[in-house]
Amino acid sequence: QKEVEQNSGPLSVPEGAIASLNCTYSDRGSQSFFWYRQYSGKSPELIMSIYSNGDKEDGRFTAQLNKASQYVSLLIRDSQPSDSATYLCAVKGAAGNKLTFGGGTRVLVKP
Amino acid sequence: GAGVSQTPSNKVTEKGKYVELRCDPISGHTALYWYRQSLGQGPEFLIYFQGTGAADDSGLPNDRFFAVRPEGSVSTLKIQRTERGDSAVYLCASRGGGSGELFFGEGSRLTVL
Repeated sequence: QKEVEQNSGPLSVPEGAIASLNCTYSDRGSQSFFWYRQYSGKSPELIMSIYSNGDKEDGRFTAQLNKASQYVSLLIRDSQPSDSATYLCAVKGAAGNKLTFGGGTRVLVKP
Repeated sequence: GAGVSQTPSNKVTEKGKYVELRCDPISGHTALYWYRQSLGQGPEFLIYFQGTGAADDSGLPNDRFFAVRPEGSVSTLKIQRTERGDSAVYLCASRGGGSGELFFGEGSRLTVL
């Protein structure tokens, strides 16, 4: 079992719709969770961090965390063509500061 | 510059050669990470430094890979006897203080022929 798992996609959504991305992790003691966006040929950039159960909203993005289910998700509302990218889930484990990434979900927003 | 700087941006080498990749982190950032990313995959953790010491090197795939950060700033990733399977983009990231955010450089693309 991979430490951090994501559906590779592509997830195709029409412009203006909601894109829903999921991530599961294996280390039950993990405390910190991040979503990074990576455009093709570019390096990852942080878009959201979440540390406690529940929802966290930032603009059009909402991160959701359920530690009991070891599940974290990202919602992108009012999707725009500029949101087309790969979204990487990253988890900091219970011990140390190692940050483990999932394989990423490719999102395509169609005008 | 204000960001993480990686050199070279592209490196083409022959199988069996030795390669060094350099990372200059954001000034003042004490934590520095190396990742390797193959096409269509997420970044794969290699090693991270807290100051001058390697706090976790569990991701280094074998003893051909080695990294140093002698003065707690610039880091060099060294790959001996390169193999075609080492071809990837090598990403460096730094982190400051208690923030969990990693700031990535643009990567060094290594191609082993």
